[in-house]
Amino acid sequence: EAQVTQNPRYLITVTGKKLTVTCSQNMNHEYMSWYRQDPGLGLRQIYYSMNVEVTDKGDVPEGYKVSRKEKRNFPLILESPSPNQTSLYFCASSLVWTGGGETQYFGPGTRLLVL
Amino acid sequence: GNSVTQMEGPVTLSEEAFLTINCTYTATGYPSLFWYVQYPGEGLQLLLKATKADDKGSNKGFEATYRKETTSFHLEKGSVQVSDSAVYFCALSGGTGGFKTIFGAGTRLFVKA
Repeated sequence: EAQVTQNPRYLITVTGKKLTVTCSQNMNHEYMSWYRQDPGLGLRQIYYSMNVEVTDKGDVPEGYKVSRKEKRNFPLILESPSPNQTSLYFCASSLVWTGGGETQYFGPGTRLLVL
Repeated sequence: GNSVTQMEGPVTLSEEAFLTINCTYTATGYPSLFWYVQYPGEGLQLLLKATKADDKGSNKGFEATYRKETTSFHLEKGSVQVSDSAVYFCALSGGTGGFKTIFGAGTRLFVKA
């Protein structure tokens, strides 16, 4: 089944404890992206990747890191989480980026609480 | 920069009522426009899209037309069902916004039987 998977689905952590949220897709997609969803703000893009070893900042990259060493994986790293990073996180992928009209396929989400 | 504005919710309708959710955008160039839907506890999934002016996207009885003159992409459905209860997001990407995607704040729809 074609899908985007994220792990963990739920995570409670404490301020400053490094964590990684994994994202994997099995559709051979080139474009991958991370978003956070907050009430009243919709989804905001954190980072995106056009292909292996090519990443760039979205609108809210502060406090986050990403890497794209393999086509299928795009982990999101919080080196020193803070309470303002408590949110619902989504990973998404699309086949290619040819101008913006591509459909993005979303994972099920990771709910993060930072105490 | 690019932006998307959606009508605030929640929107509460009775089954078989007509639905309109307004979406307007600010962008330079020629972005693509999308409606995504999020059912409770799930990720987003594409509902419909339009990639150029005057295009109409449609799916599952929902429609939206890309209006460049009014910078709008309003979502409509003639007769809603209880199963349409969800959060709806308008989004744009491309144009001079490059490789980014901008989402609206989302509109929650409740449909009563």
